[in-house]
Amino acid sequence: KAGVTQTPRYLIKTRGQQVTLSCSPISGHRSVSWYQQTPGQGLQFLFEYFSETQRNKGNFPGRFSGRQFSNSRSEMNVSTLELGDSALYLCASTQIRASTGELFFGEGSRLTVL
Amino acid sequence: GENVEQHPSTLSVQEGDSAVIKCTYSDSASNYFPWYKQELGKGPQLIIDIRSNVGEKKDQRIAVTLNKTAKHFSLHITETQPEDSAVYFCAQGRKTSYDKVIFGPGTSLSVIP
Repeated sequence: KAGVTQTPRYLIKTRGQQVTLSCSPISGHRSVSWYQQTPGQGLQFLFEYFSETQRNKGNFPGRFSGRQFSNSRSEMNVSTLELGDSALYLCASTQIRASTGELFFGEGSRLTVL
Repeated sequence: GENVEQHPSTLSVQEGDSAVIKCTYSDSASNYFPWYKQELGKGPQLIIDIRSNVGEKKDQRIAVTLNKTAKHFSLHITETQPEDSAVYFCAQGRKTSYDKVIFGPGTSLSVIP
């Protein structure tokens, strides 16, 4: 069974640009959560999607957005990039409920903003 | 509110010794407490979890304890091995319509051979 796949694995952008990251969950998983990981800050929750609907959102500015498609694949977008957006962005999938079951993480997309 | 504190932030132990990581949470409605291990270059992976109706759970060399009154939960690793070296995250979740898991800041564990 294939795991969670995130693309691209590495990318470099400059301030002001935008970026789109992709996440393919494990087959059969309908919930996809996104996290931002930076040194010292741990895993900061961005948002969670289930059946194409955003069920919950973390405390990030509106520059951070996401969506989920009918096949459960998810994308997140960051517009007007800032230096502080440099981080590892992790996607995690689970069958139904993110809050009470195992999250299966991808290896992440490492974004560097110059 | 939703906040998870985790201590220590770094921990070094000799191979064979025990390691203990402690977490404190603030959301009294939380009923699910997982622990994740993140190895270098990889995403976090669940190693053990505990639900609010249980005080302790063991899985080979790993154990987790939960004190709901004090809102504390801890990870215990016995007979540590070099492959236990990683970053460990505690987390909290609750079964409501708001479906998210909140993670602690992480503990970097180094096991010295």
